[in-house]
Amino acid sequence: GAGVSQSPSNKVTEKGKDVELRCDPISGHTALYWYRQRLGQGLEFLIYFQGNSAPDKSGLPSDRFSAERTGESVSTLTIQRTQQEDSAVYLCASTQGGATIGYTFGSGTRLTVV
Amino acid sequence: AQSVTQLDSQVPVFEEAPVELRCNYSSSVSVYLFWYVQYPNQGLQLLLKYLSGSTLVESINGFEAEFNKSQTSFHLRKPSVHISDTAEYFCAVSLSSNTGKLIFGQGTTLQVKP
Repeated sequence: GAGVSQSPSNKVTEKGKDVELRCDPISGHTALYWYRQRLGQGLEFLIYFQGNSAPDKSGLPSDRFSAERTGESVSTLTIQRTQQEDSAVYLCASTQGGATIGYTFGSGTRLTVV
Repeated sequence: AQSVTQLDSQVPVFEEAPVELRCNYSSSVSVYLFWYVQYPNQGLQLLLKYLSGSTLVESINGFEAEFNKSQTSFHLRKPSVHISDTAEYFCAVSLSSNTGKLIFGQGTTLQVKP
């Protein structure tokens, strides 16, 4: 597609429920990133996929968070047993190869846990 | 580990006045430096970047940033701002080995007043 597409754009869920967030990167982009932006804070790195290499999961805040990506296509970020502190905008970005080219960001998924 | 500090969370300024948004980073190895901008209701976009060479880099809309290795800074400047520059600005760093992961600062909201 023309840009990075994220769905849903907004998600309200009850505490304790599981949620899945989806990211469609730009076709041909080998690298895909997930970030979290809490209200009034900067972007917090979560996870990074590069081609078929093992993902860099160093930013995942707990074992309730996981992400998958099949090849160079869609990625899903799953949060299990959501907590109120998980409320944030979850941003996905992709790039053709590394940070130097510049990320293309999606519009994000605003997650609200009530 | 790398980190980025943006010293000002909000910068109010009148139209046509100069502005400087401050960014300092911490890293024990060589880095690449970036500024991203998020206009209201839009996704993040790359504004400019420093990879190597001239320490002064410019964007197409009049912003410039200077890499200062001794002060570990990458401040963003514009000699005369417009209303349309109102946005949130994020400074970011990645390792020059280009693992692809960007570490972002907390963001600075630039509010341009008429």
